[in-house]
Amino acid sequence: NAGVTQTPKFRVLKTGQSMTLLCAQDMNHEYMYWYRQDPGMGLRLIHYSVGEGTTAKGEVPDGYNVSRLKKQNFLLGLESAAPSQTSVYFCASSQETSWDTQYFGPGTRLTVL
Amino acid sequence: DAKTTQPNSMESNEEEPVHLPCNHSTISGTDYIHWYRQLPSQGPEYVIHGLTSNVNNRMASLAIAEDRKSSTLILHRATLRDAAVYYCILRVGGNQFYFGTGTSLTVIP
Repeated sequence: NAGVTQTPKFRVLKTGQSMTLLCAQDMNHEYMYWYRQDPGMGLRLIHYSVGEGTTAKGEVPDGYNVSRLKKQNFLLGLESAAPSQTSVYFCASSQETSWDTQYFGPGTRLTVL
Repeated sequence: DAKTTQPNSMESNEEEPVHLPCNHSTISGTDYIHWYRQLPSQGPEYVIHGLTSNVNNRMASLAIAEDRKSSTLILHRATLRDAAVYYCILRVGGNQFYFGTGTSLTVIP
């Protein structure tokens, strides 16, 4: 039982390049989330999904797209990376209910030059 | 519009209790109060949550004010492994967590 895993762990991009971050969970959770964390700040929600085939915008969705084709995977895409997207990205998953625990992955550190 | 307000940092001596405060004056009746902590270079991990009543688990206790506008996370005996950033979070509308900047806890040996 690996919990929540993220691929890759580190990545450096040039401005304008694209990339996809993969999040996988093996807990059969319905909800999945993508957050970003900038230095000295808390996490901010980018997009989330309440089930396979669904996605919704969070607090800071601009410049990102997501897909949830399989229940266990949640992909975060950057079509044209910008230096402002330099951050640490965390994925999380949880069951349905509003009080339920979110389980976080180890994070992906992305630098955009 | 900050949903939670916490002190930036706190210190505690090892093996002493720690009380971490949080203000959430705009909380609504259906918002759960969650606490997570983040150790250096790791993702956040769940500590405790509650709605109206005080809560206890093996990690900590959560004391919620009667008007629900504030809460306090209590670590009964701080250890060096408890040094982390502690986030007080409101779960709004069932789907979204709003993290603040958290309280950085330093535990002094």
